[in-house]
Amino acid sequence: GENVEQHPSTLSVQEGDSAVIKCTYSDSASNYFPWYKQELGKGPQLIIDIRSNVGEKKDQRIAVTLNKTAKHFSLHITETQPEDSAVYFCAAANDYKLSFGAGTTVTVRA
Amino acid sequence: NAGVTQTPKFQVLKTGQSMTLQCAQDMNHEYMSWYRQDPGMGLRLIHYSVGAGITDQGEVPNGYNVSRSTTEDFPLRLLSAAPSQTSVYFCASNPPRASRGQYFGPGTRLTVT
Repeated sequence: GENVEQHPSTLSVQEGDSAVIKCTYSDSASNYFPWYKQELGKGPQLIIDIRSNVGEKKDQRIAVTLNKTAKHFSLHITETQPEDSAVYFCAAANDYKLSFGAGTTVTVRA
Repeated sequence: NAGVTQTPKFQVLKTGQSMTLQCAQDMNHEYMSWYRQDPGMGLRLIHYSVGAGITDQGEVPNGYNVSRSTTEDFPLRLLSAAPSQTSVYFCASNPPRASRGQYFGPGTRLTVT
């Protein structure tokens, strides 16, 4: 089955700086790569996703890049704000089954 | 739309007890899934369903049963609770193909003593 590894497990950044989270996957058949944000006491919420035929996607302050050859993808958050503090999960999917990374706890220091 | 709803929010069980976690969605999504979330392990798929009457096992199915009699509901049953099943449980739904995004419920925090 698919194995998704996510790094780092914790990330502390100064407000206004950028944050980068990296994931690798093992199954070359995976073709969909979403990112989720989970705030304390809530369920994960989809924030951005990318499909295998696209190398990069941006939505305001967040962007995701995908390197299918190397089987890795990354989440970039620019100009971080306190409300960006949360746990972020990457995932990889082939059709409808998602495999998740272990999560990254991001703390934005004021 | 209420989205994905889960009940109860919190539950404490004794070892050996059984219970059902409820999940419902009002988005007419075909696909529904149950995950458990444990510290440092992300979300692990327990069972999933691609439509009414169809279910299949995920990564960690042992000790859990599911059924899907309607499009809206996807209950998760713990047959004989064990301390190892202490976790936060999330239900999710999505339109055909995960590539259209999964919607998660608020979760059920279960403690088995």
